[in-house]
Amino acid sequence: AQKITQTQPGMFVQEKEAVTLDCTYDTSDPSYGLFWYKQPSSGEMIFLIYQGSYDQQNATEGRYSLNFQKARKSANLVISASQLGDSAMYFCAMREGQGDYKLSFGAGTTVTVRA
Amino acid sequence: DSGVTQTPKHLITATGQRVTLRCSPRSGDLSVYWYQQSLDQGLQFLIQYYNGEERAKGNILERFSAQQFPDLHSELNLSSLELGDSALYFCASSARQGVGNEQFFGPGTRLTVL
Repeated sequence: AQKITQTQPGMFVQEKEAVTLDCTYDTSDPSYGLFWYKQPSSGEMIFLIYQGSYDQQNATEGRYSLNFQKARKSANLVISASQLGDSAMYFCAMREGQGDYKLSFGAGTTVTVRA
Repeated sequence: DSGVTQTPKHLITATGQRVTLRCSPRSGDLSVYWYQQSLDQGLQFLIQYYNGEERAKGNILERFSAQQFPDLHSELNLSSLELGDSALYFCASSARQGVGNEQFFGPGTRLTVL
């Protein structure tokens, strides 16, 4: 079964506007972590933000915030005030507490920021 | 710069050949993870090492093997290469095991099998 689902293959956003990238996850483990990574066209994977399953507050890192809805098993990434440099592929990933701590990735969402 | 280094950056080889990809984790990180990113499979976990010991295996083919050396660098060996092995191979490291420990990714090695 797919552990991470990203249903938006591609999105366009106007510069300076906010964009929300959807991510839903599936786990029966009470302890897990949710991550978002950015992959620009150059290929490297850049860590953006982390949310732990026991965290009471939504994570924020600069212009990135994570809308964590535990009951709905969703962890949407919000990018505020989009910049041209935000154009990239964005991956949602999960690490579960039991086992090997590997990251399970979604299929990714391509974001294109328009001037 | 994540602090994780991978060499080579690009590798072009022929079917049936064997290659070795190298990864140096961030200073002090004990865990090394290998991932494969391909167009059809997406990002998939291959194998994890922690302080020299294999800890977990994912969707790693029998033709592939890895090891982590005493200085904590790791190598991923791919043999009897097939066209479908063409992919971007990432190494990631983290300081400790655990749910919240961020994995820092290297720049990747792009393997092309002709």
